[in-house]
This record gives sequence, structure tokens and C-alpha cells, in this order.
Amino acid sequence: AQSVTQLDSQVPVFEEAPVELRCNYSSSVSVYLFWYVQYPNQGLQLLLKYLSGSTLVESINGFEAEFNKSQTSFHLRKPSVHISDTAEYFCAVTWGNAGNNRKLIWGLGTSLAVNP
Amino acid sequence: DGGITQSPKYLFRKEGQNVTLSCEQNLNHDAMYWYRQDPGQGLRLIYYSQIVNDFQKGDIAEGYSVSREKKESFPLTVTSAQKNPTAFYLCASSSGSPYNEQFFGPGTRLTVL
Repeated sequence: AQSVTQLDSQVPVFEEAPVELRCNYSSSVSVYLFWYVQYPNQGLQLLLKYLSGSTLVESINGFEAEFNKSQTSFHLRKPSVHISDTAEYFCAVTWGNAGNNRKLIWGLGTSLAVNP
Repeated sequence: DGGITQSPKYLFRKEGQNVTLSCEQNLNHDAMYWYRQDPGQGLRLIYYSQIVNDFQKGDIAEGYSVSREKKESFPLTVTSAQKNPTAFYLCASSSGSPYNEQFFGPGTRLTVL
């Protein structure tokens, strides 16, 4: 079965330090990849997505993620985090060959805690 | 502004009572979804609908029911058969494009006493 693995359930980091949140998926055949962010007691917001083209995608608030087909990974990075980046981050994947019954498959989430 | 609304934000019910959670979208999306979120378990799909008057069970449909009579609305009923209903419930919608990018509502936190 298709699956998504977020390798770290919790990532503590100091403010202004770099961070990487890791995401691996089970198959690289025709995938579409997403990172969502969830602040406490709120819904999820799309952070960035890879659909096609350049393997490096960026968000407006300094996050970036790279699609690595050979390693079936889509890790999220930020060179310098802020306190306001403290949130839950979810990786999600959908496969282009799923036909009309296409769903997003979700990782379990990574809790990013930015400390002063 | 286009978006998804869920009401209420917080909901309290006594054990054994059915309760309906509202989800409305004005994005003109064909597909809608209900997820349940528990600490450490990510998002689990309850039901989804790809078109009006049609819906499919997700991974944890037992104890839940839905309807899709209008494109804009996808209410979820948590029945007394659901053994552990206390959770955070999220509604989402998508245009049904090949990419299936989903847009989320703010969520409803249900507490069963």
C-alpha cells in the first residue's frame, strides 16, 4: 500500500537555527507532493507543493522543499526559523496513477518547537 | 472571500447523543472530505464525496454518517455507535483536479462527556 513517512515526530530547535523536516513516500511513480502547516487549534494551510517542473519549491515565508525521485523524499527546510514557525507540519502525497479515486495520503506530522 | 466554514468551533455532547457537524464551502469545489485528528495519529479520513449525491467511506467510517445533497455542504453526523468520538474534526474540499490539493476549514473540536 502507498504510504508516507515523516521520520521525526518532534523537532526542537533554537530560534534562527536551520531546520529540516523529513518526509519519505513509498513510490515515485507520478507523484504530487504537499507540505501543510497547522497552528494550534486551527485547520491546515498549504505551505508548498510539487506538481511538476523544478524539483525545488519555495514558500513565501522562507521554507523550501526538494523533490528527490531517487530517494523518494520531499524534505522541508528553512535556513533560519522564527518563534512563529512553531506548529505541526504534515507531508501529503497523491499518486497520479490512482485514477478517479484519488486521495491524499498523509504522514503523521512533525511538531516543530522553536525555542528562544 | 472564498473558503470553508465549520461550525461550531467547540461542541460538547453527552455520551449516547448523535451530533451533526457543519461544513460549508463557497469555492465551487466538487470534492469534499472529513478527517478526524487525534494527538500523534495525523489525519484519518472518515468520508469523502467527489460529487453531489455520492460519497464513499474512508478509513474510519464506522460510527459516522454523511450526506451530500448540495455541492456547498457536507455535514457529518457522529452517531452514538462511535465509541471514541472526542476529537478534532476537519473538513476539506478540492476541485477534483489531478493534483487533489485540498483546502481546509478551521475545524470543530468535539468533546463527549
